[in-house]
Order: sequence, then structure tokens, then C-alpha cells
Amino acid sequence: SQQGEEDPQALSIQEGENATMNCSYKTSINNLQWYRQNSGRGLVHLILIRSNEREKHSGRLRVTLDTSKKSSSLLITASRAADTASYFCATDAIIQGAQKLVFGQGTRLTINP
Amino acid sequence: EPEVTQTPSHQVTQMGQEVILRCVPISNHLYFYWYRQILGQKVEFLVSFYNNEISEKSEIFDDQFSVERPDGSNFTLKIRSTKLEDSAMYFCASSRETGNRETQYFGPGTRLLVL
Repeated sequence: SQQGEEDPQALSIQEGENATMNCSYKTSINNLQWYRQNSGRGLVHLILIRSNEREKHSGRLRVTLDTSKKSSSLLITASRAADTASYFCATDAIIQGAQKLVFGQGTRLTINP
Repeated sequence: EPEVTQTPSHQVTQMGQEVILRCVPISNHLYFYWYRQILGQKVEFLVSFYNNEISEKSEIFDDQFSVERPDGSNFTLKIRSTKLEDSAMYFCASSRETGNRETQYFGPGTRLLVL
């Protein structure tokens, strides 16, 4: 089954606007993480929200988690051109031993100056 | 701030050749991972490693793949006989612990191109 499916697949907004990306998943999780990837580059960790948390803030980022709906959202406020990137949610699989992350397809965010 | 590093950043190889991708995880981390991302596709889990052994591997991680921690700092991924479909970006990650508290930190990736 697919985990961590983001929508929209692509989002284009004007600088200064807020950007909201959503993620849905199917199975139980320990936590959900959001990552950013600039084109062809590595994954930068943005924020981790635990399954017993509902909302978390970090600077201009706000993440919510609704475990009853198995969904999360990432809000970037007052967007900047430098926020242009792909954003991925990743859920951990509850397994024995080490944690593995299951990534979605990502949302390609474009901030127009 | 400590970070995961990977070398080389790019590797081009001929089909059938062996490649070794290298990673230096964050120094106090105990759990190590390899992921790959084929161009335009999702990031996919390959393998996790703890206490000098594989703790989980995906179905992608077949007999052509192996991992090793040859010393106290390096973590390597070896592909014995590369195939065209192995062309991808390979990411190493590490975490201090597991469970609901722990973030996995990713390296910048190695872009592998198999010709």
C-alpha cells in the first residue's frame, strides 16, 4: 500500500502568499516527518511531528497531524522565492529494530517573485 | 552543525561494473540507512543497519547489494554488478535512536549513472 501521498502534486503561488501541502497515509505511525529537496539535491529535514502531537511550529512552518484521518498538512507562511523546492512527507513504519521511512511522491512548490 | 556526508557526489560506471558508495554518518548516531531515488520518482528505502548488521532490507536490496561499516566512521553501499536500472540518486541517512523521537538526517546524495 502507498504511504505518504502528498497533494497537490504541484503548487505555484506568488511570493508572500501562504503555501499549504497535504499528506495522507494508510497505516499506523510513530511519527511523520517533512523534508525539502531542491532540484537534484539532498533531502533537508524540516520538522518531525509525533503521533501524539496535533500541531507543531518551526519558524514559518506549521505542521498538523490528524491521526484519525491519517493526514498531515505543511503550511509555509509568507513564502519566499527560496522556498521553491519539492516537499515530501515521510512516515515511519512500525517495525522491530530500525525505523524505515516511506516517502510520498512529493509536492513541487514554485514561488513566483 | 554535524551532517551526513557522502562521496562521490557523482559516479558514472559501465553496466556490470562494481561500485562502492561511501557515507560518513553523524558521529554519535547508531542507526544507518540507504535510500535511493530514481529520477522523477519517490525516495525508496533500501536497507537499515544497526549494531553491525542489517536490521531490515527492502525487496530492491537483492544479492547484488551489500552494506558494510568497515571502520568507526564509514558506511558503504556496494553494488556488485550494476544494471542500467540502478541509475539513481542514492542517499545515506543516520539517526541516533529509533522510535517516535528520532529524525533521520540525510546526506547530499550520490548520483549514480550506469551506462
